[in-house]
Parts: sequence; structure tokens; C-alpha cells
Amino acid sequence: EGQLVESGGGLVEPGRSLKLSCAASGFTFSNYVMDWVRQAPKKGLEWVASISTGGGNTYYPDSVKGRFTISRDNAKSTLYLQMNSLRSEDTATYYCAALGSKGDYWGQGVMVTVSS
Amino acid sequence: DVVMTQTPVSLSVAIGQPASISCKSSQSLVGTSGKTYLNWLLQRPGQSPKRLIYLVSKLDSGIPDRFSGSGSETDFTLKISRVEADDLGVYYCLQGTHFPFTFGSGTKLEIK
Repeated sequence: EGQLVESGGGLVEPGRSLKLSCAASGFTFSNYVMDWVRQAPKKGLEWVASISTGGGNTYYPDSVKGRFTISRDNAKSTLYLQMNSLRSEDTATYYCAALGSKGDYWGQGVMVTVSS
Repeated sequence: DVVMTQTPVSLSVAIGQPASISCKSSQSLVGTSGKTYLNWLLQRPGQSPKRLIYLVSKLDSGIPDRFSGSGSETDFTLKISRVEADDLGVYYCLQGTHFPFTFGSGTKLEIK
């Protein structure tokens, strides 16, 4: 059974950086386009970033473009999200997700709180 | 950006009764490949989201056939033929055709 486990969340001051990790197991990680999706407290879902299977192509919404960087290490079956210049509006639960034609996998989510 | 307008915001349905959720996109979701990347997801209380349907009408593995998806271009519908207690939660549509990917605002299904 496939599994995604996020780590790296926490409380951080505005303007600082944080790096999230997502460890995959139980499925062929390198075959999946990977995404980060976030959910602010009591709010809906927002797509944050996508990365192609080989890592050569990345995509972001304007809300995080230039501040967030998605990357992957297929040898380690691990996805990353480097978040710089964090703002209060980035406060959310961050999910990593694999949405393929052969199934979908979601992490349990990791909380990021941006506050002074 | 593609705006996904999802209705209703909430619905209360008795066990065994049908339910229907609509999702309308601000532009066609037919991609250059000819495929339409419209997904439906369910987020149960306190849980991560889970995809139910992809490519408009394809059921994910393990999803009961009480769920069905239909639609084309800009109008899409999720139907539950007979609601069960386990179906409660928030349903989201998600378009994956145009970057940035966008979600509908969600429909909260309550059991009457």
C-alpha cells in the first residue's frame, strides 16, 4: 500500500524559510508527477506546486511563485518544498500528493504556522 | 486562472437518497491531448483528501460505483446514487488541465 509521509513543518517568523519533505513508499515514486496542496485553517484546498516525473519541469501559482521551490530526489523517493520569504497567509496544512492514472496517494499533512 | 464554481455550498441528504454536486469552469477543460482533467475529491472530517474520480468519469480503485461523474467542456457533475453514512465530508472538484490547477470551493455533505 502506497504511503506519503510529510515532515518539516512548524512555527516560523514572517520572512523566514522552511523546507518540507515528503517520503514516499509502496509505489513507484519516479513514475508520478508530484504535487503540494495546502489548506489554510477552516478553508478549502489550494494547489501550491507540481513537478514532473524527472524533476525538469515545475509549476506554481502566482501566490508562491518566486518564493517556493519544489524538487524531488527519485533515488530517495522524496519530494521537497523549499519555502522562502514566508508570509502569514502561508499558514496552512501542507499535503504532498501523487495523483496518477493508477491511483492517488496523499500524505497526512504537516502544519506550517507563520507568525511572530 | 480557471475559476471553478461549485454548487451547492452544502447539502443535507438522508441515507439511501441521491445527491448531486455541480462544478462549472470558467473555460473549457479539454486539454491539448483531447483529455479533460477534471477530478472529484472527498475530504472526510479530520482526514486528508482522497480522489474519487479522475478524467471526468473514471472511478478510482476502491471507490464504490454509487459514485459517478459526468460532464464536458465547462459543466461537470458528481452524483451519489444512494448516500451512505461514510459519504459525509467536503467534496471538491479540481481541474488539472490549465496551470495553475484550481479547486472548487467545496460542498459539505451532511447526513440528514
